[in-house]
Amino acid sequence: EVQLVESGGGLVPPGGSLRLSCAASGFTFSNYEMNWVRQAPGKGLEWVSYISSGGSIVFYADSVKGRVTISRDNAKNSLYLQMNSLSAEDTALYYCAREPHDWNSFDFWGQGTLVTVSS
Amino acid sequence: QSALTQPPSASGSPGQSVTISCTGASSDIGGYNYVSWYQQHPGKAPKLLIYEVTKRPSGVPDRFSGSKSGNTASLTVSGLQAEDEADYYCSSYAGSNNLVFGGGTKLTVL
Repeated sequence: EVQLVESGGGLVPPGGSLRLSCAASGFTFSNYEMNWVRQAPGKGLEWVSYISSGGSIVFYADSVKGRVTISRDNAKNSLYLQMNSLSAEDTALYYCAREPHDWNSFDFWGQGTLVTVSS
Repeated sequence: QSALTQPPSASGSPGQSVTISCTGASSDIGGYNYVSWYQQHPGKAPKLLIYEVTKRPSGVPDRFSGSKSGNTASLTVSGLQAEDEADYYCSSYAGSNNLVFGGGTKLTVL
């Protein structure tokens, strides 16, 4: 069974940093591209970042570019999102999502980890 | 990149068909065949219903179908069932390694 389990969310003050993790199981992690997608409370979905299956290619939404770094460890079946210079606008539930090659869509999602930026 | 435009709400009675629209531009929906649709029940993660405009992943009922005309994509839910009541989101590749979502449509089964 495919499972994606996010962790690392929490309450952080404005300007702070946080590292999110996503543990994958039930599939060959290294064969899939991965993404982070976020959802502010009561709002819609927003794509955040993409990483290729091997980790060499990464993309970011303009809203987080320069403040966020996506990475993965295929030996540990894990995906990460390092977030810096956080602001209230980054408050959201962060999902990791699996992307089959070239689908430009996400066939499995984790349950999300909540990031709250507040003083 | 601007979000795609969806109606905030839609409704239908059990057994009926409902179509949800998703309007973008030539730089996203109109320019690529990478439109997807997701279903999200309250407190749950999104679930992929449609990818590449018309394709259904394994396990998704054929009551769900997708289409595209110009800069507008549509999701049709046929034979509405109570469990179809949820939020629905469209997404599209938008070029320059960007992906955009619609604002979401709340579907109510009357």
